[in-house]
Amino acid sequence: DGGITQSPKYLFRKEGQNVTLSCEQNLNHDAMYWYRQDPGQGLRLIYYSQIVNDFQKGDIAEGYSVSREKKESFPLTVTSAQKNPTAFYLCASKDSGNLNTGELFFGEGSRLTVL
Amino acid sequence: AQSVTQPDIHITVSEGASLELRCNYSYGATPYLFWYVQSPGQGLQLLLKYFSGDTLVQGIKGFEAEFKRSQSSFNLRKPSVHWSDAAEYFCAVVPRHAGNMLTFGGGTRLMVKP
Repeated sequence: DGGITQSPKYLFRKEGQNVTLSCEQNLNHDAMYWYRQDPGQGLRLIYYSQIVNDFQKGDIAEGYSVSREKKESFPLTVTSAQKNPTAFYLCASKDSGNLNTGELFFGEGSRLTVL
Repeated sequence: AQSVTQPDIHITVSEGASLELRCNYSYGATPYLFWYVQSPGQGLQLLLKYFSGDTLVQGIKGFEAEFKRSQSSFNLRKPSVHWSDAAEYFCAVVPRHAGNMLTFGGGTRLMVKP
């Protein structure tokens, strides 16, 4: 089955620790995205990548980093510089042939709680 | 400023009742319009989308949405709600002439009473 896999589903970390969230897709999509979701605020774009070895900051990139070494993988690192990292993180991908009108396919999310 | 707004944060309806979720946008040109649904603790799934043409769009799970240019709205409707429709619903837009990033509204949480 084609889709997007995020891991882990739940993650607890102590304040000051970096943590990396995994996102893997087998849809052969060029474009991948990371969103952060907080109650009542919808989804906000953290980073996106439209091609391997290239990525761009979204609206709330501070305190986060990404890499795109392979087409299938787009890991997100939440660094200690992120002031309020507790949130639900969603990874998504899109067929780059339809960047304007195409459907975003989402993973099931990772819930990060910083203690 | 360009924005997409969902005025209702929470809505509760009885099972079998009709449903309308509101979405308003503020863009110079009509953007591409989408509705997504999110079940608790899950990712989002596309319900329907509008690009042009017929202003009444049919989607999955019995949902439809109507584009009204004069009101800058794209409201989601369902004639008869089922308990399984309880979820969070997001309206989203992609500007037609300014990049391809999806911008989401704040979401509406739907609760269904038995």
